[in-house]
Amino acid sequence: EAQVTQNPRYLITVTGKKLTVTCSQNMNHEYMSWYRQDPGLGLRQIYYSMNVEVTDKGDVPEGYKVSRKEKRNFPLILESPSPNQTSLYFCASSEQVFETQYFGPGTRLLVL
Amino acid sequence: GQQVMQIPQYQHVQEGEDFTTYCNSSTTLSNIQWYKQRPGGHPVFLIQLVKSGEVKKQKRLTFQFGEAKKNSSLHITATQTTDVGTYFCAGLGGGTSYGKLTFGQGTILTVHP
Repeated sequence: EAQVTQNPRYLITVTGKKLTVTCSQNMNHEYMSWYRQDPGLGLRQIYYSMNVEVTDKGDVPEGYKVSRKEKRNFPLILESPSPNQTSLYFCASSEQVFETQYFGPGTRLLVL
Repeated sequence: GQQVMQIPQYQHVQEGEDFTTYCNSSTTLSNIQWYKQRPGGHPVFLIQLVKSGEVKKQKRLTFQFGEAKKNSSLHITATQTTDVGTYFCAGLGGGTSYGKLTFGQGTILTVHP
């Protein structure tokens, strides 16, 4: 089944404790991206990747890191999480940037 | 940077009434995409518009892309309770912003039976 998977789905952590949210797609898509969703603000793009080893900042990259070492995986890293990073995070992929984006199920993060 | 504004933020309708949500970009877009997110779910792609002045229809849904490629709208005719959810537009930038997808804030649609 074609899908985008994210892990974990739910996470409660404390300020400053490094964490990684994994994202994997099995559709051989070139484009992958991360978004955060907050009430009243819609979806805001954190980082995107046009292809392996190519990543670029979205609108809200501060406090996040990503890597794209292989096509199927695009992990989101929070080196030192802070409470303002409490949010719902979505990973998405598409064949090309201008194609249909397929979203993962989301990761709900709470930083205390 | 590129900004995409979407209005209204909320819309309550009676089943059978029409619904429209509007998106406006601060810059010219390469294309615009529309997504629907059901409560508790993830965004699901609806359609993409690329050409200036383009109009596309999907059953009761009509999508338009403005002549200047800076605005777009989604119109639902005769809403049903299954239309409930949040509708987002997302604009793809051009030039040095190519690859960056900017979403509007979304319109939350409630349909009363």
